[in-house]
Amino acid sequence: ILNVEQSPQSLHVQEGDSTNFTCSFPSSNFYALHWYRWETAKSPEALFVMTLNGDEKKKGRISATLNTKEGYSYLYIKGSQPEDSATYLCAPYYKLSFGAGTTVTVRA
Amino acid sequence: GAVVSQHPSRVICKSGTSVKIECRSLDFQATTMFWYRQFPKQSLMLMATSNEGSKATYEQGVEKDKFLINHASLTLSTLTVTSAHPEDSSFYICSARSPNGAGEQYFGPGTRLTVT
Repeated sequence: ILNVEQSPQSLHVQEGDSTNFTCSFPSSNFYALHWYRWETAKSPEALFVMTLNGDEKKKGRISATLNTKEGYSYLYIKGSQPEDSATYLCAPYYKLSFGAGTTVTVRA
Repeated sequence: GAVVSQHPSRVICKSGTSVKIECRSLDFQATTMFWYRQFPKQSLMLMATSNEGSKATYEQGVEKDKFLINHASLTLSTLTVTSAHPEDSSFYICSARSPNGAGEQYFGPGTRLTVT
């Protein structure tokens, strides 16, 4: 992996369902991985800063895991709600250009 | 949480003129700020890294003479789009790096530039 890749690019989820998506990044020289949430007409907001292999962070119904050896992080949304609709961006610390993001749309 | 302001939020200018956008960290000192541009239906593209007291580091393909960045204080960075053209019309957003160890970024609200 040479750049940050996020998949899928978009997700449509029924309210109440759980979902997850992936951020892949170069595993060499890892320092930290940041997850951001970007709602329409708002600024991106920091969700998690992941630093340790095997780390799991949680914020309400959203959680994230980190595998620095294989270079990926998963973000999970449990029991999706319409307010979870946003684009979720990840960026490794050393390269601050973001992946294309995963746009989540939660249908009521 | 940390607050970053950006001004103006929207600006319309004529082709050939210059526009300055300000990015301020309101409640913390930021030695490093970043300028991004968002193209339609795309994610944020890092344009340059602005370091207080030194020259900005530009990403490949970004013209430094066109996009002038100044980071004169620990709370202010400016981006000046010089001799603007319609193709410079875009959404520009800045961020400031948190002074704590993990270095997450706090984003400004962005500036919508339209060049006519």
